[in-house]
Amino acid sequence: GEDVEQSLFLSVREGDSSVINCTYTDSSSTYLYWYKQEPGAGLQLLTYIFSNMDMKQDQRLTVLLNKKDKHLSLRIADTQTGDSAIYFCAETQTGANNLFFGTGTRLTVIP
Amino acid sequence: DSGVTQTPKHLITATGQRVTLRCSPRSGDLSVYWYQQSLDQGLQFLIQYYNGEERAKGNILERFSAQQFPDLHSELNLSSLELGDSALYFCASSVQGGGTGELFFGEGSRLTVL
Repeated sequence: GEDVEQSLFLSVREGDSSVINCTYTDSSSTYLYWYKQEPGAGLQLLTYIFSNMDMKQDQRLTVLLNKKDKHLSLRIADTQTGDSAIYFCAETQTGANNLFFGTGTRLTVIP
Repeated sequence: DSGVTQTPKHLITATGQRVTLRCSPRSGDLSVYWYQQSLDQGLQFLIQYYNGEERAKGNILERFSAQQFPDLHSELNLSSLELGDSALYFCASSVQGGGTGELFFGEGSRLTVL
């Protein structure tokens, strides 16, 4: 698993790009995920990337994976106030039964 | 709406008491996961069930237990409650037991122990 770390807080101005970073320790991680938790709600999958990929883009979201450094990032372009939430990085391995989540990064978008 | 239902949404109880949290997974999902979210420890995996059988265990205290019933709903039992058990407890479900599938989370049950 099992050690997934994120910085706790990030503030950006509306319209700027946000970059949320995550580091993990398990080199056998094969799937890496970004989940979003809005206030008062459960977590919702935003995007995921397989470990054999370097980058994945999905509209305003860009995921970058540096497998050598075990570093994952989520870039949100043109950040909006509705993007304010807690973002969790998570990882798992093929055949594993569980996702291991980071501590979450609270993104605050300033109007 | 994720399709995962958790009850109760809020629960306030006293130290030493016992509570039961309930989760109904999405229709068709065989796997149920329980997570604890507290301010100082982030999201901690507690336990997973797949089609009625325990599949994986995380940082679950001996005072806590869970089960998954034949209709696939699950219950998390917390006993001899302590102040530190105050947290948001999430249930999630997925179609399969493996980690490659998306987890669908309920809105959580907020437990306050006084």
